Amino acid sequence: KNQVEQSPQSLIILEGKNCTLQCNYTVSPFSNLRWYKQDTGRGPVSLTIMTFSENTKSNGRYTATLDADTKQSSLHITASQLSDSASYICVANTNAGKSTFGDGTTLTVKP
Amino acid sequence: DTGVSQDPRHKITKRGQNVTFRCDPISEHNRLYWYRQTLGQGPEFLTYFQNEAQLEKSRLLSDRFSAERPKGSFSTLEIQRTEQGDSAMYLCASSLLGGRHVKETQYFGPGTRLLVL
Repeated sequence: KNQVEQSPQSLIILEGKNCTLQCNYTVSPFSNLRWYKQDTGRGPVSLTIMTFSENTKSNGRYTATLDADTKQSSLHITASQLSDSASYICVANTNAGKSTFGDGTTLTVKP
Repeated sequence: DTGVSQDPRHKITKRGQNVTFRCDPISEHNRLYWYRQTLGQGPEFLTYFQNEAQLEKSRLLSDRFSAERPKGSFSTLEIQRTEQGDSAMYLCASSLLGGRHVKETQYFGPGTRLLVL
């Protein structure tokens, strides 16, 4: 069964600090992994996408890593801002385009 | 705005009533997805279309749920005889899937939040 598990479930950090969110996936056959940011009451917005051959991908202050051997990914946020407060969802996709979503990590950035 | 749009954004209904939601995808996108999301959970796949053909339906999609995409453009999701357990955010996403397009990107709409009283 395809599964995506994210940790921690929630996280509170102070503005300006860094944080790392984790994602473990069991998806077969694996094609790519994507991180989404979802603001409260809005739809998810794609941050990064990586295939099995890519180890890291950056998008501004967001850096995602992928270890296809251990089936783990992380999303690192640098110099957090209040606007980073959101849910971050990890999605693993198969070659057939089937998506398995994690339950997300809720990040709260406090001033 | 050329993104995915959904209507209505919010819907409150009484148990037993029927509701219909609409999704307008990005115009050139051939795939359209429906998801349901409850608080603290990730989106759960319901169904998807490639052009006008409904290619897959989740077992979550009971016989009270029906989705259509009659002309391969906008889509509707209807829930008949709503139940309190149907209360959730209903998300629509669209994507463009080409022959060698490995990194299919789904673009999500803002969602329709349904509350069944």
